[in-house]
Amino acid sequence: GAGVSQSPRYKVAKRGQDVALRCDPISGHVSLFWYQQALGQGPEFLTYFQNEAQLDKSGLPSDRFFAERPEGSVSTLKIQRTQQEDSAVYLCASSLRDAGGPSYEQYFGPGTRLTVT
Amino acid sequence: EDQVTQSPEALRLQEGESSSLNCSYTVSGLRGLFWYRQDPGKGPEFLFTLYSAGEEKEKERLKATLTKKESFLHITAPKPEDSATYLCAVQAAGGYNKLIFGAGTRLAVHP
Repeated sequence: GAGVSQSPRYKVAKRGQDVALRCDPISGHVSLFWYQQALGQGPEFLTYFQNEAQLDKSGLPSDRFFAERPEGSVSTLKIQRTQQEDSAVYLCASSLRDAGGPSYEQYFGPGTRLTVT
Repeated sequence: EDQVTQSPEALRLQEGESSSLNCSYTVSGLRGLFWYRQDPGKGPEFLFTLYSAGEEKEKERLKATLTKKESFLHITAPKPEDSATYLCAVQAAGGYNKLIFGAGTRLAVHP
């Protein structure tokens, strides 16, 4: 079946612009995660959704970052007033089960590479 | 604080030269340890999950093992197509299953 898809794959924004990044998880996956990956580093957790509920947003670096998953499927990560330090690859991952169950693997999308100039 | 450290940062092997990658972790109760492979410009690709000390899993030329403090990814007779960055991540008990990643090991296998 289809994997996790993300769009756009590449985004160039001028400093101060708002951007919206989209994630389509694997159909039927309850859990959805966003991660940020800087060059040469491992991904870092941003936020977690179980269906439409945002249960953990402890990794969002500032109040300029906002995420939603209104119908429990597609998710959007929005960054307002982008800064140069926001330049990174933003990865979305989905998992079959919810957070209360056993540890299930997360399947990642290809990521969106954001460059802020 | 939950933390994952991977070594070496980079590894260059000749085709057929076996080696091991290390992942050391500190976590307040381990729910699972994961290995992923990441190719340039792509998202991480799931390889293995290990749950308890002593557990081992194999897939083709890769074998992952787990102790109470670290995990090893053994690569037997590697081929050039095994070249990638290998990421280790842990999930801590009591949380929402977020993954805590190490910085990865960049593996290059030369013919």
